[in-house]
Amino acid sequence: GAVVSQHPSRVICKSGTSVKIECRSLDFQATTMFWYRQFPKQSLMLMATSNEGSKATYEQGVEKDKFLINHASLTLSTLTVTSAHPEDSSFYICSAPDGSSGNTIYFGEGSWLTVV
Amino acid sequence: KNEVEQSPQNLTAQEGEFITINCSYSVGISALHWLQQHPGGGIVSLFMLSSGKKKHGRLIATINIQEKHSSLHITASHPRDSAVYICAVRRGNQFYFGTGTSLTVIP
Repeated sequence: GAVVSQHPSRVICKSGTSVKIECRSLDFQATTMFWYRQFPKQSLMLMATSNEGSKATYEQGVEKDKFLINHASLTLSTLTVTSAHPEDSSFYICSAPDGSSGNTIYFGEGSWLTVV
Repeated sequence: KNEVEQSPQNLTAQEGEFITINCSYSVGISALHWLQQHPGGGIVSLFMLSSGKKKHGRLIATINIQEKHSSLHITASHPRDSAVYICAVRRGNQFYFGTGTSLTVIP
C-alpha cells in the first residue's frame, strides 16, 4: 500500500544550526503534504500545508522564515528548521492524502528533533 | 474551546473488555479520521468516515453528522491495542485534532 517515508527519524543538532527533514510519498503522488509538530503528551499541531509548485500555507503563529517548507516535486516535501533553538525540540511528522481520492491520509514515521 | 473534544483522556481496561472512545466536534467537516499513535510516535490512520459506520477487524467506528459526534469501539481488547487514539476532522485543507485518548489494556 501507499507509504510516506520520513527522514531522519532522530536528529540532534546544535543551537543556531539548521536541520532538514524530508517527507516522501513512495508510491503515489502527493500534491499536498501536511507538517505537524507534537510536544510530549500533547496532540498534533498542524504547522503548515505544503503545496507542490507553490508556496506553503502556514498556520497562525508558525514562523515561515524559521520553518522553511519546500515541495519541489510530487513526491517530496522538506521542512527545514533554521537557526534551531532548544525550544524547537519536538516531534515533527508529515502526512499526505493519497493521490486518487484524497480520502486516506498516510503519515510519515516522524522525526524526533533535539536541539542542544 | 477546542474544535475537537475527545473523551476520556485516559482509559485503562482489562484484556477482553469492550472499549469506547468518543469524539465531538464543532465545525462542519468533510471527513473524520481516527488515528492510532504508538509510543514510538508513529501514526496509523485507522478509519476515515464521512457517514455511517465502518468496521475493520475488532475496530468499529461510527459517525453521526447531525450530532457532530463519532465513536471508536474496540471489541475484545488486547494489550497490543495500548496506544493513543486521536480523532481528527478535516474541513477543506484544515485539520483539527483532538487531544487524544491514551488507552492501556492490562493482561
